[in-house]
Amino acid sequence: DQQVKQNSPSLSVQEGRISILNCDYTNSMFDYFLWYKKYPAEGPTFLISISSIKDKNEDGRFTVFLNKSAKHLSLHIVPSQPGDSAVYFCAARVQGAQKLVFGQGTRLTINP
Amino acid sequence: DSGVTQTPKHLITATGQRVTLRCSPRSGDLSVYWYQQSLDQGLQFLIQYYNGEERAKGNILERFSAQQFPDLHSELNLSSLELGDSALYFCASSDYYNEQFFGPGTRLTVL
Repeated sequence: DQQVKQNSPSLSVQEGRISILNCDYTNSMFDYFLWYKKYPAEGPTFLISISSIKDKNEDGRFTVFLNKSAKHLSLHIVPSQPGDSAVYFCAARVQGAQKLVFGQGTRLTINP
Repeated sequence: DSGVTQTPKHLITATGQRVTLRCSPRSGDLSVYWYQQSLDQGLQFLIQYYNGEERAKGNILERFSAQQFPDLHSELNLSSLELGDSALYFCASSDYYNEQFFGPGTRLTVL
């Protein structure tokens, strides 16, 4: 049972344009959502998070949007840079717990 | 550098063998988590320890076990290894409710 889904295994975007990565979830008990970025041969690196009481959180070039009614969140990166090329994981946490439930990841490639 | 260290970086072993993966959390973090990432899969939560005690369990096989020591480092023991156990194993730590910081992982290859 995949509670967190990233339906796009890969995404290719031109440098300078906006990258939009999507994530859907099924568990209504999730109250905190995170995005992690992963380069090859490294562990995931925390990028940005959002609490379920908010619908938007911004940090520099990165913005996460949460639509609770649709059980959908997205990560916007603007402008996209070559260093953003990586695998991005969406993760969610159940209220009262600490473990994270991860999506399968989306490989983002930024083309010059 | 997340501050979480994992050893070894790579491990190659044969079916039926037993291995131990080691993790040192960030300074001050009491929670340690273990995750498994198989080929083209997301990270699957295995188990969490908080200050030496097991706090949560995921889909961890009975052949796998873990512990957290008084100095807060943790070990993941994998026994009776099968080909399907080949994966990346990540350790993460946090100071309870905040974001988890991941180590570089141990790549296990079972031949």
